[in-house]
Amino acid sequence: ETGVTQTPRHLVMGMTNKKSLKCEQHLGHNAMYWYKQSAKKPLELMFVYSLEERVENNSVPSRFSPECPNSSHLFLHLHTLQPEDSALYLCASSQDPGSSYNSPLHFGNGTRLTVT
Amino acid sequence: AQSVTQLDSQVPVFEEAPVELRCNYSSSVSVYLFWYVQYPNQGLQLLLKYLSGSTLVKGINGFEAEFNKSQTSFHLRKPSVHISDTAEYFCAVSDLKKGSQGNLIFGKGTKLSVKP
Repeated sequence: ETGVTQTPRHLVMGMTNKKSLKCEQHLGHNAMYWYKQSAKKPLELMFVYSLEERVENNSVPSRFSPECPNSSHLFLHLHTLQPEDSALYLCASSQDPGSSYNSPLHFGNGTRLTVT
Repeated sequence: AQSVTQLDSQVPVFEEAPVELRCNYSSSVSVYLFWYVQYPNQGLQLLLKYLSGSTLVKGINGFEAEFNKSQTSFHLRKPSVHISDTAEYFCAVSDLKKGSQGNLIFGKGTKLSVKP
């Protein structure tokens, strides 16, 4: 059983909807990440939070809005998405910074998002 | 800029046969190298990593990989595969200076299909 839990597992939303993806980690890590996984494309890093502060935003459109209220929870708020935003959204956590390479990324099982 | 190339998008093999999944990277600086595995309907999990030292790295589930600096390769091997090894495998590279696994650059993945 993964130490990183994502809900919901599947989400279908229209382009005018507002929804949120939730991620919770039970591993005591202090860094959390959102990735986008699309078919036939490399995994794309979207956002990085370390010690509850956003440290990276890889040119993600503003229709994606992350929130990290504490070191165990991470949200991705979605509004006015486009069909090309349909993908698997993966949350991950790690112990960071410092000797983070000895603490691998732990991924959740993802939320499969379909935008209609 | 760094990049990762996984030369095969799909690799079909028969059970108990050996397998090699190829990965080449490009970088102007020293790197860390990783292999992650994604089983159906799950997130990614770390198989093995090369940080320093011996160029032959052993991971979980009987997999190993060899770092070849001159050929900028980090191919993944297993001498005898099982049906349960059917999954997608991702090679990833990170700049030593970045200091976080969240800055991994992933390849597009190789789907390993093990047939009875």
